[in-house]
Amino acid sequence: SAVISQKPSRDICQRGTSLTIQCQVDSQVTMMFWYRQQPGQSLTLIATANQGSEATYESGFVIDKFPISRPNLTFSTLTVSNMSPEDSSIYLCSVGLGPTEAFFGQGTRLTVV
Amino acid sequence: KQEVTQIPAALSVPEGENLVLNCSFTDSAIYNLQWFRQDPGKGLTSLLLIQSSQREQTSGRLNASLDKSSGRSTLYIAASQPGDSATYLCAVRTGAGSYQLTFGKGTKLSVIP
Repeated sequence: SAVISQKPSRDICQRGTSLTIQCQVDSQVTMMFWYRQQPGQSLTLIATANQGSEATYESGFVIDKFPISRPNLTFSTLTVSNMSPEDSSIYLCSVGLGPTEAFFGQGTRLTVV
Repeated sequence: KQEVTQIPAALSVPEGENLVLNCSFTDSAIYNLQWFRQDPGKGLTSLLLIQSSQREQTSGRLNASLDKSSGRSTLYIAASQPGDSATYLCAVRTGAGSYQLTFGKGTKLSVIP
């Protein structure tokens, strides 16, 4: 298994500002994933982050809005830029140990006012 | 496009009762299916992983079944306890080379003491 630490656990932000979410894993992993869970909705994949290369974004998500860093095999950040109330969601970091079992951090609950 | 549906959206049962949560998916060509538990502020906890070649998996009071041909999975919880109260999520992985999970919206379970 993998232990994932995500910071912050929650935040309330002003519209127009940016928030950077950190994800730390207790072991080296090739791929890290960022998900968004809007209120009452299922989790949606934002992007896949590989160490040493550009993140791969899913349809509907763009790098300018959700820039991602992956400086090493145990750490990644997701920034939510120029926030609006529609960005209020839970953001989750995930890793997969091979294409089998997925593990998740505790999530970041973001409220934009 | 894979779609995952979970029924019911919410369920309330008295303590000690056995219960079944349902998950259906539209594309039967899945690699595996994973059940998670989501607690507020605690992210997702992996409960059971079923590979496409398996029919069921068991862990303690939990039993998950998979009928790939009909696009269905069930999560059976025996002798429910108040500590089982949480949202249960079903997620499918479409291909061996794909790390992406498609999630249902979840079933919110309340176990009444």
